[in-house]
Amino acid sequence: QVRLVQSGAEVKKPGSSVKVSCEASGDTFDNLAINWVRQSPGHGLEWMGGSVPPFGTPNYAQKFQDRVRITADKSTTTAYLELRYLRSEDTAIYYCARASDEGNWFDPWGQGTLVSVSS
Amino acid sequence: EIVMTQSPATLSVSPGESATLSCRASHSVRSNLAWYQQKPGQAPRLLIFGATTRATGIPDRFSGRGSGTEFTLAISSLQSEDFAVYYCQQYNYWPLTFGGGTKVEIK
Repeated sequence: QVRLVQSGAEVKKPGSSVKVSCEASGDTFDNLAINWVRQSPGHGLEWMGGSVPPFGTPNYAQKFQDRVRITADKSTTTAYLELRYLRSEDTAIYYCARASDEGNWFDPWGQGTLVSVSS
Repeated sequence: EIVMTQSPATLSVSPGESATLSCRASHSVRSNLAWYQQKPGQAPRLLIFGATTRATGIPDRFSGRGSGTEFTLAISSLQSEDFAVYYCQQYNYWPLTFGGGTKVEIK
């Protein structure tokens, strides 16, 4: 059974970057399509992007394409979301989630990482 | 982008009663629709995929129906643990999109 454990909360200044991690266990990492979804009061649940097995090629939502980078370290079975040029509207809970190999629904999800952007 | 619209925003239900939640897509997503439950302070939890298939471990009081643009999630005989926010998500088109949620609260 796949388990996803995310890094802790972050407080960032506008214009800076944040990198959130998501450690996976319970399945072969190469087979996992780890996606990132954020949740904020103003925008609800937003899909940001995800990796496409088996090569891990990222697929990004156009809204975030210029600022986001999704990477993975196979040696530590950890996926990363990096978001640059942070602004206050990026204050949200960021979730990693595994997309099924039969369709892009998400199960399971990580516990979430709160990113607060404030001057 | 496919817009997912959920209604109502809030549903007040007494324990033991049934609830029906709606989700509408701005364009046909065929049966490529999932439902999630989210409780305060927790991540969303998958309930239904393929519009009608319950995820592993989900009780049969949860049922999904619909295809194309109109979908429903029915919860029969609501238990205390069912009071939560429910989201639909389409995965037929990129970008993947979610509805705004329906909060099921205790009446």
